[in-house]
Amino acid sequence: EVQLVQSGTEVKKPGESLKISCQGSGYRFTTSWISWVRLVSGKGLQWMGRIDPSDSYTNYNPSFQGHVTISSDKSNSTAYLHWSSLKASDTAIYYCAIGRHFGSQLGWWGQGTQVIVSS
Amino acid sequence: DIQMTQSPSSLSASVGDRVTITCQASHDINTYLNWYQQRPGKAPKLLIYDASNLETGVPSRFSGSGSATDFAFTISNLQPEDIGTYYCQQYDNLPYTFGQGSKVEI
Repeated sequence: EVQLVQSGTEVKKPGESLKISCQGSGYRFTTSWISWVRLVSGKGLQWMGRIDPSDSYTNYNPSFQGHVTISSDKSNSTAYLHWSSLKASDTAIYYCAIGRHFGSQLGWWGQGTQVIVSS
Repeated sequence: DIQMTQSPSSLSASVGDRVTITCQASHDINTYLNWYQQRPGKAPKLLIYDASNLETGVPSRFSGSGSATDFAFTISNLQPEDIGTYYCQQYDNLPYTFGQGSKVEI
């Protein structure tokens, strides 16, 4: 069974750094692009970017490029989403997801990680 | 970016009703469109891919149609467990983009 298990809720202050994780199991980790999707309350879903775990090649949504970094570690089948300096506007639920067709049909999702950024 | 415009943003219907949500793309996206359901407090779930293909295990009361810029999603016999927010998503071009969501209530 395919599973994506994400790290837990984070409460941070503006300016702090953060790295959240998404561990895959039940499939060959290097064969599926992993996307990160953000849900902001009242604003819907936004695709942030994706990574090919086989070679760590990434595509970013220009709206997020430069503010977040997507990475992966084949040795522990885990993808990461990293911020070096959080803003209050980063408060959201973050999901990782994989799917067919180069990860465009997102058929499997993690449970979500709540990130709260508040002073 | 390709803009996806969903309508309506919310609706209220009765059990057994037929419900239709539309999604319009700002550019021709062929049939590179998915539909997702997000129940309260849960992760999104893929229901329809390639505009009209039902994902494995998804009840047949869900269906999708359309191509190019105009798409529709229908629930033919609304059930209580169908409450949630529904999103379209294009994957013709990066960045993938979602519609703003349509909240379905009973």
